[in-house]
This record gives sequence, structure tokens and C-alpha cells, in this order.
Amino acid sequence: AQSVTQLGSHVSVSEGALVLLRCNYSSSVPPYLFWYVQYPNQGLQLLLKYTSAATLVKGINGFEAEFKKSETSFHLTKPSAHMSDAAEYFCAVESGGSNYKLTFGKGTLLTVNP
Amino acid sequence: EADIYQTPRYLVIGTGKKITLECSQTMGHDKMYWYQQDPGMELHLIHYSYGVNSTEKGDLSSESTVSRIRTEHFPLTLESARPSHTSQYLCASSTSGGAYEQYFGPGTRLTVT
Repeated sequence: AQSVTQLGSHVSVSEGALVLLRCNYSSSVPPYLFWYVQYPNQGLQLLLKYTSAATLVKGINGFEAEFKKSETSFHLTKPSAHMSDAAEYFCAVESGGSNYKLTFGKGTLLTVNP
Repeated sequence: EADIYQTPRYLVIGTGKKITLECSQTMGHDKMYWYQQDPGMELHLIHYSYGVNSTEKGDLSSESTVSRIRTEHFPLTLESARPSHTSQYLCASSTSGGAYEQYFGPGTRLTVT
């Protein structure tokens, strides 16, 4: 069975500071990994995805994530936070055999302070 | 760009009423999903479909039902709404190829009074 753990339900940063949102996964086979962002009263928008190609994945809005197999991690980073980055972020995993279903983490709420 | 639509966006309804939440996608995706999400909480899969006439229950037990008569349409029905059904309902779709990323609609926020 696969699972996703997002460390920190709430992360607060200052505008211009580094954003680091943590995601660890468990999977018995090489996974596909995703980060989604959700703004208030909206659905989820795909930020980026890992599909076993390059381990450093670049996404939209300046975000990137690095797949580290040895650490079973897929942390999301952005060098400089912007006020518009304030949202809920979800990490998700799909690891074959799951019949195309994604397993989501519980989410991390990012607050950006001026 | 993904095109997946949900109506209504917001619904306030009384206990005991029958409701249908609509979800449509124009991408020709064969797989569709319904999630339930309480405010600030994780997503729970309640139904999914791999194609026309295919529906399965998800990981979270739900009193709702779904149908998939057309590829682009995946409505969710509650025969008798209760306050415990108050939540946000998100619809998503995906293809069979690629990394199976799911594309989400804007959601329906349901309040049962």
C-alpha cells in the first residue's frame, strides 16, 4: 500500500524567503509523484510531476521538487516566496497497481507574510 | 489546458432533498473521480470510473451514487441530503497514458441545513 506524509500542516514564511514544503512517500514500486496547489474555494491545480525522468522537476510559478529515492522524499521548494503563493499544497503518489488512483497527503497550508 | 466543469459551485439545501452534482469534461478522458474534502482537510476518494458504464466505490464510504452513461459526464447524486453531507465535492479526470495526473474541476460546496 502506498502512503504520503506531509510534514507540517502549516508553514509560514516571509515574502522573499525560501519556501520548503516536505513530502515523504511509501511505495513498493517506483512511483509517480505530484504536487498540487489549491487556492480558497477552488479545485486543485497541478504544479509539477515526477515521472522517473529527471530527479529535479520544475513546475509552474517558479516551484521545483527533487525526487530522492534513498530518502523516499519529494520536497517542494521555491527560492523566493510571493504573496500570491499563499495556498494549500498537496503531495500525491501513484505507484502502479493502484488502478490509476492517487493517494494524497493531508496538505500543507502556506502563509506568506509581508 | 484541462477543461473540467462542475455545477453548481455553491448549493444550500434542506435536509431530505435529492440533489445531483454535475461534472463534465471536454478532454475525452476515460477516467473520472469524485473526492470529498472538508475545509482545510485532505481529499477522500468516494467514487471513480474507468469508462462508460464503469463505476466503483472509493476509499471513503459515501451514501452518494454516481453514473457514467457518457464519457464526458459523471454526475453524483444524493437521494436524501443530510447535514453530515455538508462538504466540498471535487471532480477530477485523467487519461490512461502518461503519469496519470488528474485534472480537477472547481468544486461544489454543499451545505445541508
